[in-house]
Amino acid sequence: QVQLQESGPGLVKPSGTLSLTCAVSGGSISSGKWWTWVRQPPGKGLERIGEISYSGYSNYKPSLKSRITISLDKSRNQLSLKLSSVTAADTAVYYCARVLDYYGSESFGYYLDTWGQGTLVTVSS
Amino acid sequence: DVQMTQSPPSLSASLGDRVTITCRASQTISNYLNWYQQKPGKAPKLLIYAASSLQGGVPSRFSGTGSGTEFTLTISSLQPEDFATYYCQHSKWEFGQGTKVEIK
Repeated sequence: QVQLQESGPGLVKPSGTLSLTCAVSGGSISSGKWWTWVRQPPGKGLERIGEISYSGYSNYKPSLKSRITISLDKSRNQLSLKLSSVTAADTAVYYCARVLDYYGSESFGYYLDTWGQGTLVTVSS
Repeated sequence: DVQMTQSPPSLSASLGDRVTITCRASQTISNYLNWYQQKPGKAPKLLIYAASSLQGGVPSRFSGTGSGTEFTLTISSLQPEDFATYYCQHSKWEFGQGTKVEIK
């Protein structure tokens, strides 16, 4: 059974770069069609920020596109998130999740079946 | 991007009640709709994918219906462990704002 574990600094200074890693255990990173990062500001809802396919194709939330990079390290069975020029608005719990697919009536659909426990990142000086 | 709107934002219900949460998409999305449950301090948990397919291990009191732009999540008989916040998501993209189910 695949398990995910996020790790990285819990405190980042404004204008700095947020860097997180998500370690995949109990299975291979090849088990996911896509891998995604979702964040949740304190007391607020879920926000999808971007995803990467196993083949390395990435999609990002348009409002974050200029600041975000998601990558896969297949040899280490992990994925990474980098978010530059952070502000207090980037303070959130960050989750990684595995994305599986199915073929619907018209094309592929996707769902997030396995999530990490999440890690809180606070942007503050 | 397709925008997802949930209603109501919150509701109060009693044990044993039938609860229905609605999710509307800003444009048609066929059946590419998932539902998640989140408890305080925990990661979200997948309940339903493809609008109506129950994820393994999820109790049968949870069900999902809908297609196109309107979707519903129904809990047939509310149990103590069901008090949580529920989110819909369009495929692997945008989430709804969430619906908090509280004890009446």
